[in-house]
Amino acid sequence: EAQVTQNPRYLITVTGKKLTVTCSQNMNHEYMSWYRQDPGLGLRQIYYSMNVEVTDKGDVPEGYKVSRKEKRNFPLILESPSPNQTSLYFCASRGRGLNTEAFFGQGTRLTVV
Amino acid sequence: AQSVTQLGSHVSVSEGALVLLRCNYSSSVPPYLFWYVQYPNQGLQLLLKYTTGATLVKGINGFEAEFKKSETSFHLTKPSAHMSDAAEYFCAVTPSGGYQKVTFGTGTKLQVIP
Repeated sequence: EAQVTQNPRYLITVTGKKLTVTCSQNMNHEYMSWYRQDPGLGLRQIYYSMNVEVTDKGDVPEGYKVSRKEKRNFPLILESPSPNQTSLYFCASRGRGLNTEAFFGQGTRLTVV
Repeated sequence: AQSVTQLGSHVSVSEGALVLLRCNYSSSVPPYLFWYVQYPNQGLQLLLKYTTGATLVKGINGFEAEFKKSETSFHLTKPSAHMSDAAEYFCAVTPSGGYQKVTFGTGTKLQVIP
């Protein structure tokens, strides 16, 4: 079954404590991205990757890092989380050409206190 | 540059009534257009998409949307709302061809009243 798997689904952490949210896809997609979803703001892209070792900033990259060492994995790293990073995070992967719709993970609800 | 505007952050319809969710886009090149649905505590899943060809596209769960280039619109409709349609709906646009950024609208929450 084609899927994007994120972990954890829920996370409560304290300000400044480094954390990583993992994302893995089994569709051999080259394009992967991270979004955050906040009420009234829709989905905003944090970072994206067009292939292994190729990443770039999205609309709201401050405070986040990513890496793409393998095609299937695209972890999101918060080196020093702050309360304004409390949000719902989604990882997505996309295919090519006409099959370019995004497949989303189940989401990670992060609370930073 | 591209953008998406969804009119109405909340829409309420009676069960059995027509569902109409509005989406207008701007794009400097021919677009690919999508509608996604998000049920509570879940990720987004694709309802339907327009890439090329027929401008009226049908999706899952009885939804359809029509690409109208002259109006830069891609409104989502369903003839008869069901309670299970209650969810948040997102319109999205990306330039056609290659890997380009997808821009999402701010979403419309659909409430279905029994």
